[in-house]
Amino acid sequence: AQSVTQLDSHVSVSEGTPVLLRCNYSSSYSPSLFWYVQHPNKGLQLLLKYTSAATLVKGINGFEAEFKKSETSFHLTKPSAHMSDAAEYFCVVSEGSERGATNKLIFGTGTLLAVQP
Amino acid sequence: DSGVTQTPKHLITATGQRVTLRCSPRSGDLSVYWYQQSLDQGLQFLIQYYNGEERAKGNILERFSAQQFPDLHSELNLSSLELGDSALYFCASSRTGTWEYNEQFFGPGTRLTVL
Repeated sequence: AQSVTQLDSHVSVSEGTPVLLRCNYSSSYSPSLFWYVQHPNKGLQLLLKYTSAATLVKGINGFEAEFKKSETSFHLTKPSAHMSDAAEYFCVVSEGSERGATNKLIFGTGTLLAVQP
Repeated sequence: DSGVTQTPKHLITATGQRVTLRCSPRSGDLSVYWYQQSLDQGLQFLIQYYNGEERAKGNILERFSAQQFPDLHSELNLSSLELGDSALYFCASSRTGTWEYNEQFFGPGTRLTVL
């Protein structure tokens, strides 16, 4: 079975400083991994995805994530936080990584990012 | 805007009632997924349809059912509602139903409040 663990439920940074949101995954196969963001009272927006093409994945709004198989990690980073980055971030694995399986998404518990002025 | 639409945005109803949530996928997407987001359970997969047929079931209660119509829109029916069913219900769509092109795009959600 596949799963993801988000290591921090809350992260607070100052505007202009780097962001690091940590995620570890568990998968029997080479996984498809995603980061989604949810702004208050909004839907879920895809930030980036990893599907084995490249270990460093660039997403929208300056975010990127690095897939590290040896550490089973997929941490999300951004060099400089902006006030508009304040939101909840979800690390997600697709069960569809297993050949023949469905494509349901398994969500982590979320990390709430606060950005201080 | 993801291109996935959901109606209504908000729904307030009483225990024991039945409601229907509607979702229209992005143009060209054949697969529709339903997810429930609640404070105690987080985001959980409910059910997936692909081109009108059920593909996978998750933690969906027997009181809940869904279908996907020939025009590919989907409806989630919730019956005998309980207070604990209050949640945000998301619909997502993807081009196919398998791991290829498995990027899912989410609608804005329907917030259900059961009083």
